[in-house]
Amino acid sequence: SAVISQKPSRDICQRGTSLTIQCQVDSQVTMMFWYRQQPGQSLTLIATANQGSEATYESGFVIDKFPISRPNLTFSTLTVSNMSPEDSSIYLCSGGQGEVDTQYFGPGTRLTVL
Amino acid sequence: GENVEQHPSTLSVQEGDSAVIKCTYSDSASNYFPWYKQELGKGPQLIIDIRSNVGEKKDQRIAVTLNKTAKHFSLHITETQPEDSAVYFCAARGSRSGTASKLTFGTGTRLQVTL
Repeated sequence: SAVISQKPSRDICQRGTSLTIQCQVDSQVTMMFWYRQQPGQSLTLIATANQGSEATYESGFVIDKFPISRPNLTFSTLTVSNMSPEDSSIYLCSGGQGEVDTQYFGPGTRLTVL
Repeated sequence: GENVEQHPSTLSVQEGDSAVIKCTYSDSASNYFPWYKQELGKGPQLIIDIRSNVGEKKDQRIAVTLNKTAKHFSLHITETQPEDSAVYFCAARGSRSGTASKLTFGTGTRLQVTL
């Protein structure tokens, strides 16, 4: 299994600002993903973080709003840009081995935008 | 794309009873079905998974069954304990195209185990 950590664990931000969330995996993983979870809701995939190339975004999510970096096999960042109260949510990072499909999740970053 | 439905949305059982959560999926090419447990304030934790070449898998008090023909799979928890109280999510991985291992999640089931 993989152990995944995220920083920060929570933050309260002002409208119009940006926040970068970091995700660190304790072992090399082929796949890394970013999800959003609204309070009391299911998980929605934002994008797949690709090492050394642009992330692959799901419908409804764009790079200008959620820029993602993945400089190596164990680290990725998600930035939530020009935040509004609608961006208040839990942001989750996951990592997995593409060959065997298993995905492990980080503890999440709880974001509140005022 | 893949669509996953999950029922019930809430489930209350007495300690020691069994709990069953059911999910259906739409993509007949899906071949991997994990279950996650999410406690309050934490990230989802993988508790069991099953692949399409297997019909049932058990791990102590937890079991998952898969019916490929009907495109549904279920989580069974026996001898429930208060610490089983959490939100449970099923997921399915659809056919590979572009990004592999992309999971589609169900809507979640809030399980409450009462004393």
